[in-house]
Amino acid sequence: GQQLNQSPQSMFIQEGEDVSMNCTSSSIFNTWLWYKQDPGEGPVLLIALYKAGELTSNGRLTAQFGITRKDSFLNISASIPSDVGIYFCAAHQPSNYQLIWGAGTKLIIKP
Amino acid sequence: EAGVAQSPRYKIIEKRQSVAFWCNPISGHATLYWYQQILGQGPKLLIQFQNNGVVDDSQLPKDRFSAERLKGVDSTLKIQPAKLEDSAVYLCASSLFVLNSYNEQFFGPGTRLTVL
Repeated sequence: GQQLNQSPQSMFIQEGEDVSMNCTSSSIFNTWLWYKQDPGEGPVLLIALYKAGELTSNGRLTAQFGITRKDSFLNISASIPSDVGIYFCAAHQPSNYQLIWGAGTKLIIKP
Repeated sequence: EAGVAQSPRYKIIEKRQSVAFWCNPISGHATLYWYQQILGQGPKLLIQFQNNGVVDDSQLPKDRFSAERLKGVDSTLKIQPAKLEDSAVYLCASSLFVLNSYNEQFFGPGTRLTVL
């Protein structure tokens, strides 16, 4: 079946550093989404991307929909302690608009 | 606006016991989803409802899992009997319904199930 390969699996960074993570697939998608999940909570949508090549920002977060429609990346600039959590990419299957998910990138900020 | 509500938040049971989870979606959301999220993985769709009808339950282990949304609002997910591998967070999500379009899903806090 369709899979999203998300990397890295985890990141240990210093406060103030920039962060970059990405998601790739062998399949083409029409929508890419980035979610954040805090401990004990459900995922919350950060950014939605609808068009190949689209670059969208949400505060310190920037995400891009790859031109091939098979990948997406998320950047976080100047990380702060509340950025800690698990970031998931997700994409809509064109046939039924159901979401498939990456395995997540766990962001840990070193004190 | 109230979000998606789920209860209980935590449940610990022994294998072969039964358990039920409850979800109340955002008011007016026609579509309701149940996901299973195993530790270290992304959510996996178990079942999708459109009002009180099932749209997709292809990944629901029907020999032990059942779900219903009788009045097209609240939903319950049941596991009977539970196995050790059912230990996971069960997430409920809801969305508006617009045909042939992306509909943003809003997630509840989940129920963490531990099967001993």
